[in-house]
Amino acid sequence: RKEVEQDPGPFNVPEGATVAFNCTYSNSASQSFFWYRQDCRKEPKLLMSVYSSGNEDGRFTAQLNRASQYISLLIRDSKLSDSATYLCVVMDNYGQNFVFGPGTRLSVLP
Amino acid sequence: NAGVTQTPKFQVLKTGQSMTLQCAQDMNHEYMSWYRQDPGMGLRLIHYSVGAGITDQGEVPNGYNVSRSTTEDFPLRLLSAAPSQTSVYFCASRYKGTLYNEQFFGPGTRLTVL
Repeated sequence: RKEVEQDPGPFNVPEGATVAFNCTYSNSASQSFFWYRQDCRKEPKLLMSVYSSGNEDGRFTAQLNRASQYISLLIRDSKLSDSATYLCVVMDNYGQNFVFGPGTRLSVLP
Repeated sequence: NAGVTQTPKFQVLKTGQSMTLQCAQDMNHEYMSWYRQDPGMGLRLIHYSVGAGITDQGEVPNGYNVSRSTTEDFPLRLLSAAPSQTSVYFCASRYKGTLYNEQFFGPGTRLTVL
């Protein structure tokens, strides 16, 4: 089993739609959690950290369920510019290295 | 700040050749790492360093060497290139210490081994 698994995608949604991505991780001692965004042929960039209480940044909401070892990302009112691959990232139990999921590709269509 | 820089952007090698991928950061980050990204597999950690003079292996270290003589630089050496090393390579850096420090990535090196 992979350490971090994500919805396989791709997700094709119309502008204005709400879309949710799911992620599960296998190491219950994982320390911290993130969503990164990667545009085609570019480097990953931090979208948001995911805190235990859940957190929101504009149209983006992240949730963490430690008991189920599950992370989610909700995007409301999708924009064309949201088209990218979304990477679920988990910090290992030593608090040292990041473990990346394979990513879920999103295409927002006009 | 230039952030994290990588050279070259593209490289084609023949099997058996060696080369060094360069990585530098100007943010005084203690932690630096190298990843490779292959389709459908996400980023996999090759080697990492928590400070000058300290390096360690990640998930897929075979065929690669690193050194960290300064805080700024973290080169990755391919000892004898193989077609299986065809990939996109990303260097990254961040402050160590707290659990939510952002990791910054370089623009990547696209390597093809023939």
